[in-house]
Amino acid sequence: QTVVTQEPSLTVSPGGTVTLTCASSTGAVTSAYYPNWFQQKPGQAPRALIYSTNNKHSWTPARFSGSLLGGKAALTLSGVQPEDEADYYCLLYYGGGQLGVFGGGTKLTVL
Amino acid sequence: QLQLQESGPGLVKPSETLSLTCTVSGGSISSSSYYWVWIRQPPGKGLEWIGSIYYSGSTYYDPSLKSRVTMSVDTSKNQFSLKLSSVTAADTAVYYCASLYGSAIPDYWGQGALVTVSS
Repeated sequence: QTVVTQEPSLTVSPGGTVTLTCASSTGAVTSAYYPNWFQQKPGQAPRALIYSTNNKHSWTPARFSGSLLGGKAALTLSGVQPEDEADYYCLLYYGGGQLGVFGGGTKLTVL
Repeated sequence: QLQLQESGPGLVKPSETLSLTCTVSGGSISSSSYYWVWIRQPPGKGLEWIGSIYYSGSTYYDPSLKSRVTMSVDTSKNQFSLKLSSVTAADTAVYYCASLYGSAIPDYWGQGALVTVSS
């Protein structure tokens, strides 16, 4: 069973920078895993932020960016705002791109 | 832009079949650019991929649920559906439908439908 691992929780100060990572139990994450990132606030549906490693949706704030870092997918928030406090999930694809597996999520606290 | 809305019973008895429908508006479910996906989230837990379907009827299910899942598409109603059989309390979750651009980009999501499995 494939496992995708994220940091359970992170804390960042307003205006600061934080990087969330997403690792695969199968080895290094590459662009072939089509990493996606989502933000979810309490009581809301997830909102797509990043697709295919580093591409932003039209609604994604500029302070969010995606990359590959040390064999993992990464989501970096620069100039964090209080409204960025949320759960963040990564999604990787396996089986020739047909099966998605979510990470367990990172709870980001802005404090 | 696409809008998706889940509908179906909010309460299902153990061992019965959970059935949900997702209605798509703002675009055609027959678009060659999109797959359609079901994702669920147990209370207080993370997101789980259930499976995806193309307008042609091609399906891809998570191996852990494959024996119990059936997805279908109704192009005349611009809807796609999920059936999950032999449910238990572990299937209690918010079920989301979403559009999957290019088979790998979940972009638009429904608001979610809470389904509780209980007698």
